[in-house]
Amino acid sequence: DVKVTQSSRYLVKRTGEKVFLECVQDMDHENMFWYRQDPGLGLRLIYFSYDVKMKEKGDIPEGYSVSREKKERFSLILESASTNQTSMYLCASRNAPARIEQFFGPGTRLTVL
Amino acid sequence: DAKTTQPPSMDCAEGRAANLPCNHSTISGNEYVYWYRQIHSQGPQYIIHGLKNNETNEMASLIITEDRKSSTLILPHATLRDTAVYYCIVRDLNNNAGNMLTFGGGTRLMVKP
Repeated sequence: DVKVTQSSRYLVKRTGEKVFLECVQDMDHENMFWYRQDPGLGLRLIYFSYDVKMKEKGDIPEGYSVSREKKERFSLILESASTNQTSMYLCASRNAPARIEQFFGPGTRLTVL
Repeated sequence: DAKTTQPPSMDCAEGRAANLPCNHSTISGNEYVYWYRQIHSQGPQYIIHGLKNNETNEMASLIITEDRKSSTLILPHATLRDTAVYYCIVRDLNNNAGNMLTFGGGTRLMVKP
């Protein structure tokens, strides 16, 4: 089974802190994604990466950056956390180009105080 | 991408078939219909996808109308573990945006004993 793991299930940070969310997949997938999920807004794409060191902005990249130094790891960085970044963050991976489905991690619920 | 419309919630008795409808009246010829679900406190899980023909896998069946303007996800024998939010998504996977997923509100399925 494909496994996508995220470094924390729950995280509490203070406004202005730098926050790192880590995601690791063990199936040699090329594509990796970071989403945030908020009530009433569904799932929104922040950034995605289609290969090592490659990244593309999604729908809501402001306030975030990403890093993909190794194929299995995709990090989401909040340079200076703000309260409006309190959300559920979901990482996903996909084996391009043949497969359609994305495999999701369990999510990190981030609270910024 | 075509927009989808789903009922916000449904109930189903355990052991019965759960039929989850989705309207996608503006779907275009290259767009696939696919379904994910999200069980509470977990990341989304891929269920099934289709273009024109009905599809079946170990989890569910997907019935797509002949005009492709609507579809139904069928869980043949719902269990309590099928309680989740079910998302119907329509995407054209032949363009770059097909890498991304954007979920709307979905249908909250409650399976009751």
